[in-house]
Amino acid sequence: DTGVSQDPRHKITKRGQNVTFRCDPISEHNRLYWYRQTLGQGPEFLTYFQNEAQLEKSRLLSDRFSAERPKGSFSTLEIQRTEQGDSAMYLCASSRKSYEQYFGPGTRLTVT
Amino acid sequence: AQSVTQLGSHVSVSEGALVLLRCNYSSSVPPYLFWYVQYPNQGLQLLLKYTSAATLVKGINGFEAEFKKSETSFHLTKPSAHMSDAAEYFCAVSDQTLSGGSNYKLTFGKGTLLTVNP
Repeated sequence: DTGVSQDPRHKITKRGQNVTFRCDPISEHNRLYWYRQTLGQGPEFLTYFQNEAQLEKSRLLSDRFSAERPKGSFSTLEIQRTEQGDSAMYLCASSRKSYEQYFGPGTRLTVT
Repeated sequence: AQSVTQLGSHVSVSEGALVLLRCNYSSSVPPYLFWYVQYPNQGLQLLLKYTSAATLVKGINGFEAEFKKSETSFHLTKPSAHMSDAAEYFCAVSDQTLSGGSNYKLTFGKGTLLTVNP
């Protein structure tokens, strides 16, 4: 059990550029979640996968955001045409049971 | 919709003193409740969880929390603070579905930063 991993850990990009983050869940965890955490706040739910199916998306996810989980393994979160307001920590979590989520170290995005 | 309120964005204690971090929730159905800890530039680590079994829940690192339905509270305590406990702590809630499971989405409070003074 190597834990949830996320790549990259840090990303600095210019406004208007596209970025993609990757999350590798704990093996055999069929549920995968994305959260966003801004400075001084708790994490906010973005989206949820059960296997490869994306079952819910938050209203926080604008059309510029897209998430995928091909084959029900790793997941990617893409942000198109980044804005300064997208600067945040993006956290991924996985679980076998919905009520016990294990978090990765996060990807810190800075949009300049 | 459920919500979580953590009273006190910053709590400071002396090493060896009692730690008390407060959490109140609102939920339309009996919830699942969690405390997570976050160290600087790291992800969240689960400290403990309440899933409708015993109301007093013991977690890692000597922490425990008590679910009080009448007060809609789930306060986190530790009898004796250690320097290594300095971190940010988040309370979170997840509603149960009608079938008794969780609706999987965690709603977090804004967090409480715990500092431990020598």
